[in-house]
Amino acid sequence: GAGVSQSPSNKVTEKGKDVELRCDPISGHTALYWYRQSLGQGLEFLIYFQGNSAPDKSGLPSDRFSAERTGGSVSTLTIQRTQQEDSAVYLCASSPGLAGFSYEQYFGPGTRLTVT
Amino acid sequence: KNQVEQSPQSLIILEGKNCTLQCNYTVSPFSNLRWYKQDTGRGPVSLTIMTFSENTKSNGRYTATLDADTKQSSLHITASQLSDSASYICVVRGFGNEKLTFGTGTRLTIIP
Repeated sequence: GAGVSQSPSNKVTEKGKDVELRCDPISGHTALYWYRQSLGQGLEFLIYFQGNSAPDKSGLPSDRFSAERTGGSVSTLTIQRTQQEDSAVYLCASSPGLAGFSYEQYFGPGTRLTVT
Repeated sequence: KNQVEQSPQSLIILEGKNCTLQCNYTVSPFSNLRWYKQDTGRGPVSLTIMTFSENTKSNGRYTATLDADTKQSSLHITASQLSDSASYICVVRGFGNEKLTFGTGTRLTIIP
């Protein structure tokens, strides 16, 4: 069956521009997560959506980062006024469970963001 | 602070050989530990999950061990294949609804 998909796969942008990254989770999965993977670093949690509950935004590094999830399905991560330190791979994951991080997370292929 | 440390950072072995990757963690109280395989340009894929009461679990040529007392886990790969070339990430979940703690991974390269 279809897995988690992300678009674009690669994005190159100039410093100061805004970018939007998209995630399509596995159909029926109630939980959706965004992570950032920088070179040589472990995955860094950004934000977590669970059903209709208010998202857990505790991992967002600054107010330039925001995310929304429409209709409990597709999610968009927006980075405003991009900086060079935002360059990383942004991974999206989804899981079927209602208990947060208890269940296996299924990851998308990621979006590689390069800020020049 | 919860931490997960993996070693070695990178490893190169000949096809057909065995290898063992290490994961040490400080997450407490502990709930479970997963090993993920991440191919280049792809998202991580779960290989195995270990809970507190489990010592060993196998998935084909992959065998994970867990020592919850010393907070150590290992992933042993037998008869390596070229397709095993990837990053292997150790991920630990604390008891309760705590966020996951990810290791930085071991980059494994299998050469013919």
